[in-house]
Formats: sequence, C-alpha cells, structure tokens
Amino acid sequence: EDKVVQSPLSLVVHEGDTVTLNCSYEVTNFRSLLWYKQEKKAPTFLFMLTSSGIEKKSGRLSSILDKKELFSILNITATQTGDSAVYLCAVEPPNFGNEKLTFGTGTRLTIIP
Amino acid sequence: DGGITQSPKYLFRKEGQNVTLSCEQNLNHDAMYWYRQDPGQGLRLIYYSQIVNDFQKGDIAEGYSVSREKKESFPLTVTSAQKNPTAFYLCASSPHQSSYEQYFGPGTRLTVT
Repeated sequence: EDKVVQSPLSLVVHEGDTVTLNCSYEVTNFRSLLWYKQEKKAPTFLFMLTSSGIEKKSGRLSSILDKKELFSILNITATQTGDSAVYLCAVEPPNFGNEKLTFGTGTRLTIIP
Repeated sequence: DGGITQSPKYLFRKEGQNVTLSCEQNLNHDAMYWYRQDPGQGLRLIYYSQIVNDFQKGDIAEGYSVSREKKESFPLTVTSAQKNPTAFYLCASSPHQSSYEQYFGPGTRLTVT
C-alpha cells in the first residue's frame, strides 16, 4: 500500500524565518508529487513535481523532488503570518485514468508575528 | 465565476439518520471526488467518479453512498451504517486525465450526536 509521511507534524516559527517541510513516500511508482496548502478549510494546489532535482518556485515558496531518496521538501523563505496553514503532500499514481491521490498527514505551520 | 460549491457549511444530525451532502461544480470537469478529513490525518478518499453514471469506491467507502446522474453534481450520502460520521468532508473535481489539478470545495463539517 502506498504511504506518504510528512514531517514535522507541526512547526512554530517567527515571522521572517525560513522553514523546510519534508515529505517522504513509500510508493513503487508514481506520476507526480503534489503540494497543497490548506488554510481554514479547502486545500489549494501549490506545486506539481515530476522530475528529480528540478526546483519549482513560486515567490517565497520552492519545492524539489529527490526520486532516488524518495522525498520532497517544501521551502518557505521570509515567512509571513499568512503562511500559517496545513501543508499537504500527495502522490499521484502512474496509471493513466486512475484519478486517486494518496495524501500525507500534513504539517501544521504556525507563524508568530 | 467557475468553481465548486458544497452545501451546507455546517450540518448537525442525530445518530441513526442518513444525511446527504451536496457538491456542485460548473468547471465542466469530468472527475469528482469525496474526501474525509479527521484531526491528525490526511485526506482520505471516500468515493470518486470519472464520468457520469459511474463511480468507484475509495479507501473508506463503507457507510457511504454516492450518485453521479449529472456531470455537475456528485452528492454524498452518509448512512447510519457509518460508525464514526462526524468529520470534515471535502469535495473536489478535476479535468479528465489530469488529477493533479484538483479543485476543492469549501467543505462541509458534519456533526452527528
């Protein structure tokens, strides 16, 4: 059974700090690894990673995938209080037409002003 | 505006009653999903549908039922057979063959007493 593990489970930092969130997976084969941000209620899509070693970047957020070591990290620099949220990692299966994602438990990030 | 809606936002029911959660999308997406979120756990897939009049069980389908009579609508019924129905329920949709683009609704918090 596919397994996605995120660490830490929760993290509290001061505004301006840089954080690194981890996602490791035990998946035999997958099409992509995804990061979501969930604040208040519904998750919103952040990144899709398919190739090892290629960094995806969006503003202060960046993410990279290591297929050899089976993990991904999400970096947030110069954190702001608006970054407080639960960050979810998910893997997408390789089978064409199989629309299921396997999610991790999430990392709850709290930014203190 | 295109989007995905869920109603109601909060729902209270007595134990032993069936309850139906609404999910509607006007994004013309083929695929729709229902997830359940509990504290300390990632999103768990209940049911998903890739096309009208067809749906598949997810990881925790027991005690739930769905229908997909229209492309836009994917209601979820929580039956009295569901042993622990109190949870936050998220509906999502995605374009066909592109499951990483999961668009989530605002969610419904169901409390059963």
